[in-house]
Amino acid sequence: DGGITQSPKYLFRKEGQNVTLSCEQNLNHDAMYWYRQDPGQGLRLIYYSQIVNDFQKGDIAEGYSVSREKKESFPLTVTSAQKNPTAFYLCASSMVAHNYGYTFGSGTRLTVV
Amino acid sequence: SQKIEQNSEALNIQEGKTATLTCNYTNYSPAYLQWYRQDPGRGPVFLLLIRENEKEKRKERLKVTFDTTLKQSLFHITASQPADSATYLCALDVLDRGSTLGRLYFGRGTQLTVWP
Repeated sequence: DGGITQSPKYLFRKEGQNVTLSCEQNLNHDAMYWYRQDPGQGLRLIYYSQIVNDFQKGDIAEGYSVSREKKESFPLTVTSAQKNPTAFYLCASSMVAHNYGYTFGSGTRLTVV
Repeated sequence: SQKIEQNSEALNIQEGKTATLTCNYTNYSPAYLQWYRQDPGRGPVFLLLIRENEKEKRKERLKVTFDTTLKQSLFHITASQPADSATYLCALDVLDRGSTLGRLYFGRGTQLTVWP
């Protein structure tokens, strides 16, 4: 079955550490996205990518970095520069067209300890 | 400033009734509007998409309307069931300038509870 796999489901980070969240899709979608969700807030866009080796900052990119070396993979690194990283992180993919919605992964919950 | 407001953080209705959720926006010019369902601890699931030149879209028990003059979308679930209980998210698909790729901007969601 096609879909998006995010791992790990739960992640704990110590102060000052960088952590990387994995996102893999087998839907042959060109575009991939990272969103952050906090309680009582809408999803906010961190980074997105339309093609391999190219990506753009979203609305809250500070303290995050991404890479897109393969079409199937779009990992997100939460760096120590991100001052409030505790949140639910969602990866999504889509066709580069507007007849389709996004397909989301099941999310990674990151907690700073 | 740009805003997406989903009226009513929570909506409680009796099974069998029609649930109506509202999405209002300001200072956006969306080409498309989408609705998603999200269950606790899970990623959103795409439900319906409606284009700016469409007034209404239906899918089984779901109906979406889109009024670009009022800057409003209504999302209806007819013959609601307890299994419909979830958070429903409105999302505006806005084209990036000079790009073929749109970006989705999400509202905070409305939590729907359908009681037997």
